[in-house]
Amino acid sequence: KQEVTQIPAALSVPEGENLVLNCSFTDSAIYNLQWFRQDPGKGLTSLLLIQSSQREQTSGRLNASLDKSSGRSTLYIAASQPGDSATYLCAVALKSYNTDKLIFGTGTRLQVFP
Amino acid sequence: SQTIHQWPATLVQPVGSPLSLECTVEGTSNPNLYWYRQAAGRGLQLLFYSVGIGQISSEVPQNLSASRPQDRQFILSSKKLLLSDSGFYLCAWSPWGGSHYGYTFGSGTRLTVV
Repeated sequence: KQEVTQIPAALSVPEGENLVLNCSFTDSAIYNLQWFRQDPGKGLTSLLLIQSSQREQTSGRLNASLDKSSGRSTLYIAASQPGDSATYLCAVALKSYNTDKLIFGTGTRLQVFP
Repeated sequence: SQTIHQWPATLVQPVGSPLSLECTVEGTSNPNLYWYRQAAGRGLQLLFYSVGIGQISSEVPQNLSASRPQDRQFILSSKKLLLSDSGFYLCAWSPWGGSHYGYTFGSGTRLTVV
């Protein structure tokens, strides 16, 4: 059974710091991995999608890496800003017939203060 | 471009009352559709997914049911709500046959059963 764990569970940092959020999964047979952002009481916003054959993806100040063999992914946030405050979720897609199932991690709650 | 709509945004229902949450997708055909629930203090749990009209797969036994009467419409229902049905319900879609381009989530429905 695939299990996804995120460390740390919560993080509070001053503005400007570079951050690393960690995600680990127990079964390396994944289709892809996706990082999401969730603001309080809101839906999920997709940040980055990494296919199983890729090593990393970048979008602006965000960089996500994937090491499928070791079951790990990291989300790197450069020069953090108060607007980055949110819960960050990683999810792995498991292939099943003609659809995928997303298994979510437990999330990292990030607070960036001025 | 593709968009996903969920309504209502919030709902307060008494125990034993029926439930109907609706989700529609625009700008694509034959999407895979999903219902997730996020209970307080817990992670996101897949409830149902559908790969086509009338095709519903349930992931966990529960008091809820899902239907897909049209290609881009997904409905979550209950005949009699329980207190434990409270939570944040999210609808999502991915392209048919795989989530190569990732999942896109709706804005969610906050359900409180009283």
